[in-house]
Amino acid sequence: DQQVKQNSPSLSVQEGRISILNCDYTNSMFDYFLWYKKYPAEGPTFLISISSIKDKNEDGRFTVFLNKSAKHLSLHIVPSQPGDSAVYFCAASANDYKLSFGAGTTVTVRA
Amino acid sequence: GAVVSQHPSRVICKSGTSVKIECRSLDFQATTMFWYRQFPKQSLMLMATSNEGSKATYEQGVEKDKFLINHASLTLSTLTVTSAHPEDSSFYICSARGPGQGIEKLFFGSGTQLSVL
Repeated sequence: DQQVKQNSPSLSVQEGRISILNCDYTNSMFDYFLWYKKYPAEGPTFLISISSIKDKNEDGRFTVFLNKSAKHLSLHIVPSQPGDSAVYFCAASANDYKLSFGAGTTVTVRA
Repeated sequence: GAVVSQHPSRVICKSGTSVKIECRSLDFQATTMFWYRQFPKQSLMLMATSNEGSKATYEQGVEKDKFLINHASLTLSTLTVTSAHPEDSSFYICSARGPGQGIEKLFFGSGTQLSVL
């Protein structure tokens, strides 16, 4: 039972443009959401997070938006850079350290 | 960030054999480790949580006798897939956190691709 879904398995974007990654969840008990970035042959690394009490969190080129009523969050990367090419995972937790992950979105930034 | 080393990165074994996967925290004490499994095009699914010195807690549907987890020290946890079968072929990955660390401080190994023939 997948509680976190990333419906776009891949995204291709031109360098300098915005990348928008989407994530939906079903469990209303989730109160913390995270995005991870993964390069080939490496483990996922933490990118940015947002608490359920907020609707936006920004860190440099990365912004995460949370729409609790729609159970939807998105990650915006602007401007996209070639080094952003990676797999991005959305994850959620319900007040513990157990993470529920989406299946990932592979982002390719074209020069 | 902190480093978690996972070995082997890839293993191929015959059906019926056992395979051990190691997860080491190299520069911090990992009081809690998590083991995940990922089938192709699916999400990382939590298999079990282990705290140093105590028995692992398994998620529903995960056979504890098949997936043996040992977390005997603050820097090492092992996952042993016993009597492996082709349906156990999957990507296994660990994560670890230190004492008092928040959820953002979960550090992942690079994963192990297991193929059972």
